[in-house]
Amino acid sequence: GEDVEQSLFLSVREGDSSVINCTYTDSSSTYLYWYKQEPGAGLQLLTYIFSNMDMKQDQRLTVLLNKKDKHLSLRIADTQTGDSAIYFCAESMGGADGLTFGKGTHLIIQP
Amino acid sequence: EPEVTQTPSHQVTQMGQEVILRCVPISNHLYFYWYRQILGQKVEFLVSFYNNEISEKSEIFDDQFSVERPDGSNFTLKIRSTKLEDSAMYFCASRDWTEFSGNTIYFGEGSWLTVV
Repeated sequence: GEDVEQSLFLSVREGDSSVINCTYTDSSSTYLYWYKQEPGAGLQLLTYIFSNMDMKQDQRLTVLLNKKDKHLSLRIADTQTGDSAIYFCAESMGGADGLTFGKGTHLIIQP
Repeated sequence: EPEVTQTPSHQVTQMGQEVILRCVPISNHLYFYWYRQILGQKVEFLVSFYNNEISEKSEIFDDQFSVERPDGSNFTLKIRSTKLEDSAMYFCASRDWTEFSGNTIYFGEGSWLTVV
């Protein structure tokens, strides 16, 4: 079945760049997403990328997709304390297909 | 920015009781979903709904679960006879599907269900 894998924790210093990685198994994935979840809150859509794209940039966020290796990454430039959260990678084929989520990466910001 | 709203934000219920979780998806969206997240675990897909019927459901979505769109705006998840293991955060989501939206999926804030 479909599977999405992420490392559980990432610790970075404030001001540095954070790179959160994700791998997926379903080669028919059409859309790949990054969601942010702050403590006790819901899932906030950060960004998404189509499978026919290699890169997408949105302000401090850069998404890189290596479709051959089924590898997705999220780079957060100039990481701030407000970026501290769990980041979920997810994939979907589109249409009515539901999302398959990874377990989430806890981003920890050191002062 | 348009948002998905869910009620209640938190519900405590006794084992065996029926629970209805309510959601108001974004108004021009076409696909609706329920997901759940057991504390400390990953977000799991339950069911998708399109054109007034279930499109897809996971193994978790057994006969004790049902969904309904009773009035064109609300989208509900009913758990007929709750079990302790149904304690989780339940997320509603809706998806736009137009050339311009890029297939974005928006989640509500969640309904936290505690079964005692």
